[in-house]
Amino acid sequence: QVQLQESGPGLMKPSQTLTLTCTVSGDSFTSGAYYWTWIRQHPEKGLEWIGYIHFSGTTYYNPSLRSRVSISMDTSKNQFFLKLTSVTAADTALYYCARERPKVRGGGLDVWGQGTTVTVSS
Amino acid sequence: DIQMTQSPSSLSASVGDRVTITCRASQTISSFLNWYQQKPGKAPKLLIYAAASLQSGVPSRFSGSGSGTDFTLTIRSLQPEDFATYYCQQSYSTPPWTFGHGTKVEIK
Repeated sequence: QVQLQESGPGLMKPSQTLTLTCTVSGDSFTSGAYYWTWIRQHPEKGLEWIGYIHFSGTTYYNPSLRSRVSISMDTSKNQFFLKLTSVTAADTALYYCARERPKVRGGGLDVWGQGTTVTVSS
Repeated sequence: DIQMTQSPSSLSASVGDRVTITCRASQTISSFLNWYQQKPGKAPKLLIYAAASLQSGVPSRFSGSGSGTDFTLTIRSLQPEDFATYYCQQSYSTPPWTFGHGTKVEIK
């Protein structure tokens, strides 16, 4: 049973750089050709897709965040990371990591972490 | 970006009711449409993928249909544990993937 667990700083100040970690357990991070994804949810709002990294190293980002976001991975630790620079109050949200299946296997975000709250406040 | 419009934004229903939620894409997305259920304080859960395929472990009272721009999620006989918010999500062609704004299903 694959499980994902996010970790991060919780509280940040404006202009700082946010780094979140997602630890994958229960399976090899590099198996299955999955897309390892970050999604956020603003308070009482809907879901925003941030971007993903494929086990091959390919990344894709939401154009609305592209200038500030990067996603990387450490396969030896079964972890992938979200880095978001120059945070503002608008980045206050619940951040999820998730696994997206390749379309040939049906697609969809089939495994999610429990989420980690990030609050940006001076 | 492809815009996803869900309706209604909320609905009230009783246990045993048949519930239908619709999702419309701003352009054709073939069948690259997924549905999720989110309960308060929990992560979303995949219910339906590729418009009409039931995710493993999801009760058969949930079903999805549609292709192109118009899609439907149906709950055949609403159960107490189904009161939640439901989101559609498109994954057509290249990212960014986008979600609908959600439909909150409440107890009547």
